[in-house]
Amino acid sequence: DQQVKQNSPSLSVQEGRISILNCDYTNSMFDYFLWYKKYPAEGPTFLISISSIKDKNEDGRFTVFLNKSAKHLSLHIVPSQPGDSAVYFCAASGTHNAGNMLTFGGGTRLMVKP
Amino acid sequence: DADVTQTPRNRITKTGKRIMLECSQTKGHDRMYWYRQDPGLGLRLIYYSFDVKDINKGEISDGYSVSRQAQAKFSLSLESAIPNQTALYFCATSDTPPKAAKQYFGPGTRLTVL
Repeated sequence: DQQVKQNSPSLSVQEGRISILNCDYTNSMFDYFLWYKKYPAEGPTFLISISSIKDKNEDGRFTVFLNKSAKHLSLHIVPSQPGDSAVYFCAASGTHNAGNMLTFGGGTRLMVKP
Repeated sequence: DADVTQTPRNRITKTGKRIMLECSQTKGHDRMYWYRQDPGLGLRLIYYSFDVKDINKGEISDGYSVSRQAQAKFSLSLESAIPNQTALYFCATSDTPPKAAKQYFGPGTRLTVL
């Protein structure tokens, strides 16, 4: 059973608009959440993270929101740019699982149209 | 130069063949990981190593083995490849806790088993 789920396999957004990528988790022991971005023929790269003691973390055009009661996090990209087109993976970590191992969601492919 | 390298980048092999995927890193990290990516399933952990003498099975280790030849090198072997091992394989490294959750990925190996 997947502990981290990204229910939207793909998302298409117009350039300049907001992109919202969603992620749900089931294990309440997760206390640190990350988003990774992956371009074709490349490995995933770290984008932004958030600790469970916060409900928001912002880095330039990227903001991650965490709703612990709903076990839900989201990544907002404003404004979206064509270069943001990639697959985005949500990942969760907790001290309960052998030293901060990551559990990944299935990924969401974002397409930003010019 | 890339911090995490993987060889080969692409490999086509036949059922029953033994194959080795190699990973090297220059980040000086003790922790190394092997993942496979399948469409819709995200990245799933195959094996991980916290140091040269510490190797652990991940979520999907059946059919795979690993060797940690040095701090910088971690190889993955498929002793007898089968078609459902066709996937993208990623090596990753990380620092020790509390920074362990942020992982650095190699560019991946696309493996096809016929």
